[in-house]
Amino acid sequence: KAGVTQTPRYLIKTRGQQVTLSCSPISGHRSVSWYQQTPGQGLQFLFEYFSETQRNKGNFPGRFSGRQFSNSRSEMNVSTLELGDSALYLCASSLEGPADTQYFGPGTRLTVL
Amino acid sequence: KQEVTQIPAALSVPEGENLVLNCSFTDSAIYNLQWFRQDPGKGLTSLLLIQSSQREQTSGRLNASLDKSSGRSTLYIAASQPGDSATYLCAVGDTGGFKTIFGAGTRLFVKA
Repeated sequence: KAGVTQTPRYLIKTRGQQVTLSCSPISGHRSVSWYQQTPGQGLQFLFEYFSETQRNKGNFPGRFSGRQFSNSRSEMNVSTLELGDSALYLCASSLEGPADTQYFGPGTRLTVL
Repeated sequence: KQEVTQIPAALSVPEGENLVLNCSFTDSAIYNLQWFRQDPGKGLTSLLLIQSSQREQTSGRLNASLDKSSGRSTLYIAASQPGDSATYLCAVGDTGGFKTIFGAGTRLFVKA
C-alpha cells in the first residue's frame, strides 16, 4: 500500500498571502489529522476529519481551516500568513480515528518571509 | 486536559547500551499509546502501538510498556546502535476528543 503523501513538500510564501496544503491518506483510511510542528511548541493538533466532517479542532485561530473530500483526501488552508506560521505541517491518516494506529506523511515545510 | 510529558529531553549513550525512555500522561482515559520515531526534518514513523487494555508490545529490539493507572509508559531499546539516533515521541489517543496528543519528545544520540 502506498503511504500518506503530502504536497507540496516545500513552500515559501510572504506575509499576508494564503496557502493550501494537500494530504492523501492511505487507501481505506477515512480519518485524517493535521499537526503543526515547530521547535518551540512541538507537535500541536490542528484538526481531525472523518468522512468529510471535522470532528475536532485544536486551539488555532480561524485563519487555519481545512476540509476533507469524499475520497478522504484532505486540504488545509492558512490565510493571511504570519511569520509565526513557519513550520512543518504534518498530516496523519488512520482507519477511523485516534483509536487506530496513526500513519504520518513526510510533511510540508512552510517558510513565511 | 490531557498532557503528555517525556523525560529526558535529550540522551546520549555509547553504542551497545540498553536504554529506557519515559512518557507520562495526566488522564488515564485513553484509547492507546503510540511511540514514534522522527528523523530531522522528516515525518514520523510509527514504532509501537499499545492499546489501553494491553500492558506491553515488542518489535525487534524495542519493547514498550503501558501502566494506564499510573499514567506511564516506557520504551526500552536494547543494544542501541548509531542508526537509532533520532527523536522519539510518545502520543496518546485521547477519548476526550478525536485527537492524538503528543509529548515533546526525547532526542537520542547513540555514539559509535
